Amino acid sequence: GENVEQHPSTLSVQEGDSAVIKCTYSDSASNYFPWYKQELGKRPQLIIDIRSNVGEKKDQRIAVTLNKTAKHFSLHITETQPEDSAVYFCAASTASGGSYIPTFGRGTSLIVHP
Amino acid sequence: ETGVTQTPRHLVMGMTNKKSLKCEQHLGHNAMYWYKQSAKKPLELMFVYNFKEQTENNSVPSRFSPECPNSSHLFLHLHTLQPEDSALYLCASSQVGRENTQYFGPGTRLTVL
Repeated sequence: GENVEQHPSTLSVQEGDSAVIKCTYSDSASNYFPWYKQELGKRPQLIIDIRSNVGEKKDQRIAVTLNKTAKHFSLHITETQPEDSAVYFCAASTASGGSYIPTFGRGTSLIVHP
Repeated sequence: ETGVTQTPRHLVMGMTNKKSLKCEQHLGHNAMYWYKQSAKKPLELMFVYNFKEQTENNSVPSRFSPECPNSSHLFLHLHTLQPEDSALYLCASSQVGRENTQYFGPGTRLTVL
């Protein structure tokens, strides 16, 4: 089955700095890569996703890059703000029975210091 | 809050109790999922239902029994659980064949004594 490794487990930055979270996956059949943000006591929410036919996607201060050859993808947050503090999960999804079954990374706890 | 709802939000039960978790989605989706979220572990997929049919069962112990009576409702029946089953149980839904995004419910915080 799929195996997703996520690093770092904790990331501490100063407000205004950039933050980068990296994930690797093992199954070359995975073709959908979402990123979720989970604030303390709240549900995970999708913040950005990328499909295997795209190398990069950007949405305001958030960007995701994908290298299918190397089987890794990264989340980039620029100009971080205290409200970006949360746990971020990457996932690699493989099509199964018409649905996309995600395998999640262990999560990265991002702390943005004001 | 609309979207995906879960009840109860908190549950404390003994190892001999029987209880059920409920999930309802108001998004018109046709796939539903149960996840277990424990501290310091990745989100663990437990069950997947597509169009009310179970398509995935990730080696989950039989003390967890899912039920999907229709594409909007999903239950997780619990029986003779162990303390290590204490976790946040998240339900999610998505639309098969269109977008791949999973929408999560707020979760049920389960404590097994």
